[in-house]
Amino acid sequence: GAVVSQHPSWVICKSGTSVKIECRSLDFQATTMFWYRQFPKQSLMLMATSNEGSKATYEQGVEKDKFLINHASLTLSTLTVTSAHPEDSSFYICSARDPTQGASEQYFGPGTRLTVT
Amino acid sequence: QKEVEQNSGPLSVPEGAIASLNCTYSDRGSQSFFWYRQYSGKSPELIMFIYSNGDKEDGRFTAQLNKASQYVSLLIRDSQPSDSATYLCAVNIPPLGSQGNLIFGKGTKLSVKP
Repeated sequence: GAVVSQHPSWVICKSGTSVKIECRSLDFQATTMFWYRQFPKQSLMLMATSNEGSKATYEQGVEKDKFLINHASLTLSTLTVTSAHPEDSSFYICSARDPTQGASEQYFGPGTRLTVT
Repeated sequence: QKEVEQNSGPLSVPEGAIASLNCTYSDRGSQSFFWYRQYSGKSPELIMFIYSNGDKEDGRFTAQLNKASQYVSLLIRDSQPSDSATYLCAVNIPPLGSQGNLIFGKGTKLSVKP
């Protein structure tokens, strides 16, 4: 149980374009999903918390107009990187909580590696 | 600033030995503690969680929590080369009933030598 998928697993885009990443909980309903970013040899950095049916909560320093998050259903959250720049190249990972399994453990998707050229 | 500290390593142990990974956290009100394993180029995988003081064992893994010392550790017995990875300590941000936000340490890289 507690399987989270992401699509695509990797993407290359040109500077100035937008990229959408999908995060799905496959066998449970996730009222809350999280989006992280990880640069090489660094730890996970939480970008935002995505709540089904409401606006996402962004961490300090994360531009909400650049990283658009939509959590339209209990099994799907999307992150759109708008007007991508090379410095947005990173490993983007989503996670989800299964509210039936415990207080706060999170299950991670396999990640999406974004390269902006 | 809530922090989770880990020794970045690398920690190198021979195959079959016990690997000991340590983590300290700054927020005394933290309630839940997690260990994730992350292979290079992959996303983190939850391997253990612990909520109460003391030890919790699961197979070759033992998590130890000491809230008074704000210290949590992970022991890996009979270490295998396949255990070579970066181990991330994560701590839940209180208060209880929050959305389960976690703060991650930077991870300890473990290398198990055959």
